[in-house]
Amino acid sequence: LAKTTQPISMDSYEGQEVNITCSHNNIATNDYITWYQQFPSQGPRFIIQGYKTKVTNEVASLFIPADRKSSTLSLPRVSLSDTAVYYCLVGDGNTGGFKTIFGAGTRLFVKA
Amino acid sequence: DTAVSQTPKYLVTQMGNDKSIKCEQNLGHDTMYWYKQDSKKFLKIMFSYNNKELIINETVPNRFSPKSPDKAHLNLHINSLELGDSAVYFCASSQEARSYGYTFGSGTRLTVV
Repeated sequence: LAKTTQPISMDSYEGQEVNITCSHNNIATNDYITWYQQFPSQGPRFIIQGYKTKVTNEVASLFIPADRKSSTLSLPRVSLSDTAVYYCLVGDGNTGGFKTIFGAGTRLFVKA
Repeated sequence: DTAVSQTPKYLVTQMGNDKSIKCEQNLGHDTMYWYKQDSKKFLKIMFSYNNKELIINETVPNRFSPKSPDKAHLNLHINSLELGDSAVYFCASSQEARSYGYTFGSGTRLTVV
């Protein structure tokens, strides 16, 4: 049973900021929110992880509101190479957090 | 050095055959996983081992059997392959079972004909 909901696809142009929102209404108290990026014929790659408020690294920012029922991955000034599928994950508290569930992901298309 | 390596990268086989996929990680992680990604790109966990102990066993047919000889290796053996087993299988590892920072291998594309 999917625990997260994301848009199926998004389009953008080079140089724009892209925000991908993920809904996770049933997030547990101890769960972290993690985002992955997957290119064709490759395994998913860790992008960013957070618990609350805002996290920023050299690749992206992650915004998490106080109720933690959603999160937004922000990619600044995307380029063609950012075209990929982006997955939002939350831990499954029913199994002590050992199991995380990947949603369907968001296909981001960056155009020139 | 590849952090999580899987072999083979491609596997084409006939229905009814038995095949194995191997995975090794050199990150010193305690936990390893097998995921299956189907044609619709859904990524679903199959198994997880923590320090050679099975901790997650999703609803997977008994034809699938994982084996972890040590914490750096997690192999997947599949008996009596069926057409529906065709998918990309990813191995992953994490520092501990509750860590969500997975490192994935590049995948094994299994095609059953």
